[in-house]
Amino acid sequence: KNQVEQSPQSLIILEGKNCTLQCNYTVSPFSNLRWYKQDTGRGPVSLTIMTFSENTKSNGRYTATLDADTKQSSLHITASQLSDSASYICVVSDRGSTLGRLYFGRGTQLTVWP
Amino acid sequence: EADIYQTPRYLVIGTGKKITLECSQTMGHDKMYWYQQDPGMELHLIHYSYGVNSTEKGDLSSESTVSRIRTEHFPLTLESARPSHTSQYLCASSTTGDEQYFGPGTRLTVT
Repeated sequence: KNQVEQSPQSLIILEGKNCTLQCNYTVSPFSNLRWYKQDTGRGPVSLTIMTFSENTKSNGRYTATLDADTKQSSLHITASQLSDSASYICVVSDRGSTLGRLYFGRGTQLTVWP
Repeated sequence: EADIYQTPRYLVIGTGKKITLECSQTMGHDKMYWYQQDPGMELHLIHYSYGVNSTEKGDLSSESTVSRIRTEHFPLTLESARPSHTSQYLCASSTTGDEQYFGPGTRLTVT
């Protein structure tokens, strides 16, 4: 069964600190993995996309890693800001579907305190 | 920011009422999707469309219906709202399928 599991479920950090969010998936055949940021009451917005051959990709203070062998990904946030408070969702795409089948994790709810 | 819009953003309505959630996009995307999301839970696909006059049901059974008469417009209708329909509804669009752009969502509460 294709699944995406994220940990931790929630996380509280102080402003300026770093944090790492985890994503494990069982989706096959794998196409790509995206991390989305979803602010409260808003739709998800893509932060990074990683394909099978990519190990690391950065977008400003966000750095995503992918280990396709172990089917694990992480999102590292550096020097956190109050505006980073949001839900971070790991989304894996299934290569075998013309629909564009996406498998969503439940997200990690990050709260950054001043 | 993607050019995909949803109205209303918030809706509180009584049981038994008919409602239509609007979704429109100006990117010319063929593929459009409706997801349902409850707090702390993953998004569940309830409807999708490959293009005009194409609609399909998604993974999660839903009593809602959709139509796709124009490329840019993908409304979702509930004929008779119930408290179990209380949720957030997210619309998305795409050209490739795996890169989906999401609207801001509609928060529906049925009393």
